Amino acid sequence: AQKVTQAQTEISVVEKEDVTLDCVYETRDTTYYLFWYKQPPSGELVFLIRRNSFDEQNEISGRYSWNFQKSTSSFNFTITASQVVDSAVYFCALSDVDTGRRALTFGSGTRLQVQP
Amino acid sequence: SQTIHQWPATLVQPVGSPLSLECTVEGTSNPNLYWYRQAAGRGLQLLFYSVGIGQISSEVPQNLSASRPQDRQFILSSKKLLLSDSGFYLCAWSPGQGYTFGSGTRLTVV
Repeated sequence: AQKVTQAQTEISVVEKEDVTLDCVYETRDTTYYLFWYKQPPSGELVFLIRRNSFDEQNEISGRYSWNFQKSTSSFNFTITASQVVDSAVYFCALSDVDTGRRALTFGSGTRLQVQP
Repeated sequence: SQTIHQWPATLVQPVGSPLSLECTVEGTSNPNLYWYRQAAGRGLQLLFYSVGIGQISSEVPQNLSASRPQDRQFILSSKKLLLSDSGFYLCAWSPGQGYTFGSGTRLTVV
């Protein structure tokens, strides 16, 4: 069975601080996808990134960066110079590929509060 | 372009009343469709998924059911709502390895 663990329930930082959100996953699949979604107070899920299991290159998009380490089954997300607009709940998710189900298994989420 | 519609946005229903939430997608064919529920302050739990018309798989035993009468329509139903059915319901679709979510329905059972 697949499992995603986000051990940090809530993080509070002051604006302009860097913050890293941790994600650890478990899967028996050799091929899988990892995702990060942002959920602002309005509730909708905003897609941030998708990474497949064969691509361990780190990725940077503006103030966002992701560190995928297959050896430790981790896919961590860093926000550099955080802003108040980054306040949201962030979910890490894992998708199975080898079955027709192809559903997302979500972590419990990390609530990030960025104080001005 | 590909879009997903989900309604209503909010719903307050009494215990024991029926429920019908609808989700439709546009701009694609034969997508995988999903219903997720998020209880207050919790993560998202997969309730149902469908790989085609009339094909529904349930992930957890519950008071809810799902149907897919058309290729791009996915319906979540209940005959009699329980208090524990309260939550935020999200529909999602996947044509491949990406996932797009609807805007969600916030259901409060009173």
